[in-house]
Amino acid sequence: TQLLEQSPQFLSIQEGENLTVYCNSSSVFSSLQWYRQEPGEGPVLLVTVVTGGEVKKLKRLTFQFGDARKDSSLHITAAQPGDTGLYLCAGWGGNNRLAFGKGNQVVVIP
Amino acid sequence: NAGVTQTPKFRVLKTGQSMTLLCAQDMNHEYMYWYRQDPGMGLRLIHYSVGEGTTAKGEVPDGYNVSRLKKQNFLLGLESAAPSQTSVYFCASSYVGLGIQPQHFGDGTRLSIL
Repeated sequence: TQLLEQSPQFLSIQEGENLTVYCNSSSVFSSLQWYRQEPGEGPVLLVTVVTGGEVKKLKRLTFQFGDARKDSSLHITAAQPGDTGLYLCAGWGGNNRLAFGKGNQVVVIP
Repeated sequence: NAGVTQTPKFRVLKTGQSMTLLCAQDMNHEYMYWYRQDPGMGLRLIHYSVGEGTTAKGEVPDGYNVSRLKKQNFLLGLESAAPSQTSVYFCASSYVGLGIQPQHFGDGTRLSIL
């Protein structure tokens, strides 16, 4: 079983602040995905990173894949209340399945 | 676009009862998945299917059965429900089973076993 550990589990910040959450593993993944889940809904894909060292930007969200393809980070600049949600990372190591982390619960206070 | 539709959205069962959760997707996806999500445990894969007529076990398959008789539908069955199966169940689908393809999720079925 390939384990993905996400930290911190819970983060509460004021609107306008920056934040970074992390997704770490001892396993190498061929790709890694980040999803956001809002209450009462299913996860929705934000980004897929494939190449070690890759950086992708989605408006105020910046995603980075570690050089060794074992870890990833998500940085949010000037957080907005609409960024509130559970952020899930998921690694693809083969075997036709994604391994999900337990998530980073982010709350942005207006 | 409906995407992935799960029925029912909520259900309460008594221990020992059986039920079937239905997942339907209209995106012509080959791969379909059933997950359960519990507090502090994240999403765990129960069973999955790589195409019509195929099924395979995931991380936590015990107590569940699945069927994929039609490409667009993936059924999850609980033969004899137990309180430990109280959870939120998510169905997902993807075009193929590659890590660069997104998984599209339904909005979940909230199941309570008393």
